[in-house]
Amino acid sequence: AQKVTQAQTEISVVEKEDVTLDCVYETRDTTYYLFWYKQPPSGELVFLIRRNSFDEQNEISGRYSWNFQKSTSSFNFTITASQVVDSAVYFCALTSGSRLTFGEGTQLTVNP
Amino acid sequence: EAQVTQNPRYLITVTGKKLTVTCSQNMNHEYMSWYRQDPGLGLRQIYYSMNVEVTDKGDVPEGYKVSRKEKRNFPLILESPSPNQTSLYFCASSLLRTGGPEKLFFGSGTQLSVL
Repeated sequence: AQKVTQAQTEISVVEKEDVTLDCVYETRDTTYYLFWYKQPPSGELVFLIRRNSFDEQNEISGRYSWNFQKSTSSFNFTITASQVVDSAVYFCALTSGSRLTFGEGTQLTVNP
Repeated sequence: EAQVTQNPRYLITVTGKKLTVTCSQNMNHEYMSWYRQDPGLGLRQIYYSMNVEVTDKGDVPEGYKVSRKEKRNFPLILESPSPNQTSLYFCASSLLRTGGPEKLFFGSGTQLSVL
């Protein structure tokens, strides 16, 4: 069985602060993929990143960065210099072939 | 425009009255799946399909049925809805690569209330 845990239910920051969203996963498979999705207040689900289990290089995309560490089974997401538009629910997810498992989500609120 | 279309957007029904939520994609994706979103529980996969006539259970399949007769359509059927199936439902599709689905494209969601 596979599992994804996002222990931070809610995070509140002030604009321009950096914030890290934690994601810890469990799987017995050696080949798997990890994802992050964003759900803004409008409700749609937006893809952010897909990373395979053999690529542990950190990735940066603008103000977003991801830190994948197999040793700790974590795939954390950092937003640098947060903005009000970053306010959303963020989901981490895992697949190892077909079934897709999401975490509980982290509600991020960025205050002006 | 590439999209996943779900209907209806909102649905109120009564216990036991069969209903179908439709899902259609125009991107020729092999992989399609259904999720329910409940507060504190995140998104949970109900069923998924890796191609026509190939469907499998996700984490919470009880009380639901699906079919994949055509590549573009993946309807979700509740034969006898109960109040605990009140939820926000999302359909999604993606290309299928070695190791699983790629980037998921989601529909706009269906808010279902079962009274």
